[in-house]
Amino acid sequence: NAGVTQTPKFQVLKTGQSMTLQCAQDMNHEYMSWYRQDPGMGLRLIHYSVGAGITDQGEVPNGYNVSRSTTEDFPLRLLSAAPSQTSVYFCASSLQEGANYGYTFGSGTRLTVV
Amino acid sequence: KQEVTQIPAALSVPEGENLVLNCSFTDSAIYNLQWFRQDPGKGLTSLLLIQSSQREQTSGRLNASLDKSSGRSTLYIAASQPGDSATYLCAVKYNFNKFYFGSGTKLNVKP
Repeated sequence: NAGVTQTPKFQVLKTGQSMTLQCAQDMNHEYMSWYRQDPGMGLRLIHYSVGAGITDQGEVPNGYNVSRSTTEDFPLRLLSAAPSQTSVYFCASSLQEGANYGYTFGSGTRLTVV
Repeated sequence: KQEVTQIPAALSVPEGENLVLNCSFTDSAIYNLQWFRQDPGKGLTSLLLIQSSQREQTSGRLNASLDKSSGRSTLYIAASQPGDSATYLCAVKYNFNKFYFGSGTKLNVKP
């Protein structure tokens, strides 16, 4: 049981490039989400999914796309990278929604856009 | 928008001290509250989860309390150790897409 696995751990992109951040969980969690963590801003929700085939926007979705074709995987795509997207990205999952369930986080992807 | 505030932003204590970290939230209609630990350059490790119907949760030297009516939670760390040095984050869940984090308390436990 690996929990939530994120790849890559580090990435440097040039402005305008695209890339996909990978997130996979092996706990059969229904709910998955992406956050970005910036100094002084805390963690902010980018996109989330309540199950395979269902995604929705969070607080800061612009410039990012997601899809959820399987329960296990929830990739985050940067369409055209900008320096403002330099951040640490975390993927999180939860068994289900509701008061009984907490979140499990991956170890993060540190992205620098130059 | 719901807000989550953590005070103090940073705390430095000598080893062995008992300490309290504070978390306050503006909307008391929460699902649950979760305390996390984050080491530098690492991900978030869940410490304790308190459901809205609960008053406290304990794990080892950690005890978290919840007072919904006053919009407050505290994380109590007993007999602190240098290995406890990290940033502690509280997060409040209101809905499946409403999970708000505080900005964290950076704890330094001096040997």
